[in-house]
Amino acid sequence: QVQLQESGPGLVKPSETLSLTCTVSGGSVSSGSYYWSWIRQPPGKGLEWIGYIYYSGSTNYNPSLKSRVTISVDTSKNQFSLKLSSVTAADTAVYYCARFVLAVAGTDYWGQGTLVTVSS
Amino acid sequence: DIQLTQSPSFLSASVGDRVTITCRASQGISSYLAWYQQKPGKAPKLLIYAASTLQSGVPSRFSGSGSGTEFTLTISSLQPEDFATYYCQQLNSYPQTFGQGTKLEIK
Repeated sequence: QVQLQESGPGLVKPSETLSLTCTVSGGSVSSGSYYWSWIRQPPGKGLEWIGYIYYSGSTNYNPSLKSRVTISVDTSKNQFSLKLSSVTAADTAVYYCARFVLAVAGTDYWGQGTLVTVSS
Repeated sequence: DIQLTQSPSFLSASVGDRVTITCRASQGISSYLAWYQQKPGKAPKLLIYAASTLQSGVPSRFSGSGSGTEFTLTISSLQPEDFATYYCQQLNSYPQTFGQGTKLEIK
């Protein structure tokens, strides 16, 4: 059974960089069948796709965040990471890491989510 | 970006009811649509992909249909565990986008 687990600070100051890591177990980030995604959800609101990465390092980002987002992968640790720079209160959200399956065009495994609050 | 509009945004129904949620896309997306169920404090769960294919392990009372710009999710006989928020997601073009959600509540 594939499991994903987000980790990182729950509180980030405005203008600083949000950094999260997703650890994958029960599967490999090096599998060519999947893309490794980040999705966020502000409190009480809907879902927003941030972007994803392929094991080769190829990425695709949401244009609305592209100038501030970096997603990277570490195949040796079976992890992938999110960095979001110059954060504001509008970036306060639950951040999910997830596995996107291109062959079925669906996101089938999700982490439990981690709340990141941007506040001084 | 492709906009997805779900209707209704809120739905009140009873156990045993048949309910339908609609998702309309601002432009054609073929069958690149997925449906998710989200319960409070939990991650979304994939129910249906490719507009009408049931994800493994999902009860058969859930079904999806549609193509192009109009899609539906139907629950044939509501069970207590089905009361949740449902989202559609388009995967035809980037960025991937979600509908605003439909909250299904117990009447």
